Formats: sequence, C-alpha cells, structure tokens
Amino acid sequence: DAKTTQPNSMESNEEEPVHLPCNHSTISGTDYIHWYRQLPSQGPEYVIHGLTSNVNNRMASLAIAEDRKSSTLILHRATLRDAAVYYCILFNSGGSNYKLTFGKGTLLTVNP
Amino acid sequence: GAVVSQHPSWVICKSGTSVKIECRSLDFQATTMFWYRQFPKQSLMLMATSNEGSKATYEQGVEKDKFLINHASLTLSTLTVTSAHPEDSSFYICSARVPGSRDSYEQYFGPGTRLTVT
Repeated sequence: DAKTTQPNSMESNEEEPVHLPCNHSTISGTDYIHWYRQLPSQGPEYVIHGLTSNVNNRMASLAIAEDRKSSTLILHRATLRDAAVYYCILFNSGGSNYKLTFGKGTLLTVNP
Repeated sequence: GAVVSQHPSWVICKSGTSVKIECRSLDFQATTMFWYRQFPKQSLMLMATSNEGSKATYEQGVEKDKFLINHASLTLSTLTVTSAHPEDSSFYICSARVPGSRDSYEQYFGPGTRLTVT
C-alpha cells in the first residue's frame, strides 16, 4: 500500500477551522484518499473520501491537490467532540481485498 | 450509517485461558469482516480478514492457531484468543465492509473490546 505522512499532532481552538494535512507522494492513479478518525477508547469512524475532486459532506471537506500528492481534511468549526486521532489512508480496491492500512495519524487537540 | 457491534466491550481473563470476542453487523450483511489489534498509544494493526464461509486470511506474523477466526454467518464473526498471555492484552477492534461499495469503499468499525490478561 502507498504510504501517507501526517503530522503527529495538531492543536486547535473550539469553533475555529482546522486543516489537517496529509502527504502521499507515491499515490497511484487508482488510489482513493480516505480519512477516518478515532475518538478515545472507540473504534475508528469514517469521515470522508475522494479520488480527484474536492469533496464535502456533513462532517468535513476534503481538498485534494491537483497532482494528488497531498490532501487536506478541513473541519470547518472544530468542537470538543472532534478531538481524536485522524488517519489519512490510501485505498485501492483492485487486489487489496479491501484492507485498510492505518498509519500513526494526527492527534487533534481542541481547546475550549 | 451501518452499525457494527462487539461483545464483550471489555474482558479480564487469567493467563492460559481462552477468550471469544463477537463482532456483529446489525443492519447489513457483511461478507467480509476485519480484525484489528491496537496497543496503547499505537495505531491499529490488521490481524486478519474474515470471509463468510471460508478460512480467514491472516497478516504476516499473526499466529492463526492462536487467534481463531470464525465467520459462520453474514452478520457474525468471532475471534478467539487461545491460551491467552499478558502480552495479548490489547484493544481488539472489528470492522465490516458494506457490500456494493466497490469503488468508494466505506468500512464500519465496532466499538472495540478491551482484553486484559492477568
């Protein structure tokens, strides 16, 4: 699986936007970019995914660079409940048996 | 979204005994389920892929005779930790793939099971 690089930790203030970066310079043309997050003592939770175009859903936005070598997860207004580890994962359905490979992720701290 | 449950949520057992953890998809049928292990302050590590009606596929370094996986129905997979030792103490998490989402792929995770071996 292609690797991703994320900062170990980031800090934000409540109700401010948060931009979580992810580098994936070896991404292949058919790799999807997926984001999951894990709240303390819970299983991971799907956040968003994309291939080439920017994506929005009720939880977040995903901005994908034109060369697809990096992406940014955007939380528009951070809340205390957004404090979690955020994982950026590359997924290619062809031949991978749908396995997800988790890296170390970014620990997001949200200050009140 | 789809819901995956695990039982028990936590368990304490004595060294040498076996422990079974259940993973259920509550509102969908899952032909494929995954089992992960997570040690404190570390990321999730995939242990095995569980396919309904067939043998599980284990990741390199995971002992298949120690971690027995049974995917007997489309809504239930079980992980049995046999002859547990203190080093098996960990957070065990299962996930299930929603059929039909071939390209987009969305995986739903259970809440995890905290295993402590004394």
